[in-house]
Amino acid sequence: DAGVIQSPRHEVTEMGQEVTLRCKPISGHNSLFWYRQTMMRGLELLIYFNNNVPIDDSGMPEDRFSAKMPNASFSTLKIQPSEPRDSAVYFCASSLKGMPEAFFGQGTRLTVV
Amino acid sequence: AQTVTQSQPEMSVQEAETVTLSCTYDTSENNYYLFWYKQPPSRQMILVIRQEAYKQQNATENRFSVNFQKAAKSFSLKISDSQLGDTAMYFCAFVFSGTYKYIFGTGTRLKVLA
Repeated sequence: DAGVIQSPRHEVTEMGQEVTLRCKPISGHNSLFWYRQTMMRGLELLIYFNNNVPIDDSGMPEDRFSAKMPNASFSTLKIQPSEPRDSAVYFCASSLKGMPEAFFGQGTRLTVV
Repeated sequence: AQTVTQSQPEMSVQEAETVTLSCTYDTSENNYYLFWYKQPPSRQMILVIRQEAYKQQNATENRFSVNFQKAAKSFSLKISDSQLGDTAMYFCAFVFSGTYKYIFGTGTRLKVLA
């Protein structure tokens, strides 16, 4: 299995621009997570999908952040407009129902200048 | 509130030696899972080992083993025969059974010296 695939690996954008991060979970996994990692706050859960439905988005920092999962094999995290404080590594992870392990992608390093 | 504490921000070990990373956690729940994840410079979070709280036997995966002390709420990771490729950040985490919210520690940066 290819594992969780995220794209792009690196993104540099200017403040105010829209940024879209993409994720393909492991085939057959029905839970998907978006995390943000920063030095100050560590790993934070942004949103959790189960069977393509957003279950918990309480970690989404502001309305500028939105996430979708149109099907079982694809999810996006969008930031519009982006701000320098959004600079971080964004991880997507997936897991199988009934199994506690989450498998992470390689992350997207976002830099907003 | 549930918390995970990794009290060692940085550690180093000589190649081929053994090192132990500490992790303590705080919860009043009884059913949960504990994990160690490795984050090498490549950035990917890699699952190293998992422990079910209801199991008394400590988990082992090749050179990696844990010392799980449920009463003390302690979950340390022992790496035997350390290799240069073990250089990474190591995160301790737990999740309650049937839930999805991982609680992560702040990480321990391990450097294996040649």
